[in-house]
Amino acid sequence: QKEVEQNSGPLSVPEGAIASLNCTYSDRGSQSFFWYRQYSGKSPELIMSIYSNGDKEDGRFTAQLNKASQYVSLLIRDSQPSDSATYLCAVTAVEGQNFVFGPGTRLSVLP
Amino acid sequence: EPEVTQTPSHQVTQMGQEVILRCVPISNHLYFYWYRQILGQKVEFLVSFYNNEISEKSEIFDDQFSVERPDGSNFTLKIRSTKLEDSAMYFCASSLGTDIEKLFFGSGTQLSVL
Repeated sequence: QKEVEQNSGPLSVPEGAIASLNCTYSDRGSQSFFWYRQYSGKSPELIMSIYSNGDKEDGRFTAQLNKASQYVSLLIRDSQPSDSATYLCAVTAVEGQNFVFGPGTRLSVLP
Repeated sequence: EPEVTQTPSHQVTQMGQEVILRCVPISNHLYFYWYRQILGQKVEFLVSFYNNEISEKSEIFDDQFSVERPDGSNFTLKIRSTKLEDSAMYFCASSLGTDIEKLFFGSGTQLSVL
């Protein structure tokens, strides 16, 4: 059973702070990793993808991948109230084409 | 910007009735998916579809479910005899390629089975 785990939260941070979201996965052979943002009642929206170990930065977002530890993280710098949402970690299965999602971490950025 | 379109946005049905959820994937995408999300729970994979056939399906996708690409643009999910536990948001998604490609979601169909 392929599992993706996340802390459900809520994670509360003050406006302007750094929010750190974590994800672990069970399938050691997984190759591709994604962070999606989901506002309540809306569809997931892709924020970042990362495929190799290390950091990948895109604006205020940084994804970090450590395949040896089976760990993916997302840092959000200068957090804004509009960043308040549920953040989903998604991993592609080694065999097949489906994406396995974590349960999501609810982030609340307080003005 | 191209997007995945789903209709209807809300569907209410009686238990035991058949429903068809419709999706128009992004035009140059080759892989199509259905996911569902029960309220407050995680997004769950149902089925993937490529080259006019199912390429993978989950345990959730049992005999009451079927998918079809009736023409060059639409992709449908049929639930033959709905149950109360089928109530969920159903998301259609498409991608250009396989596991290294990004997934684009439609806005979802909220299915309520009474």
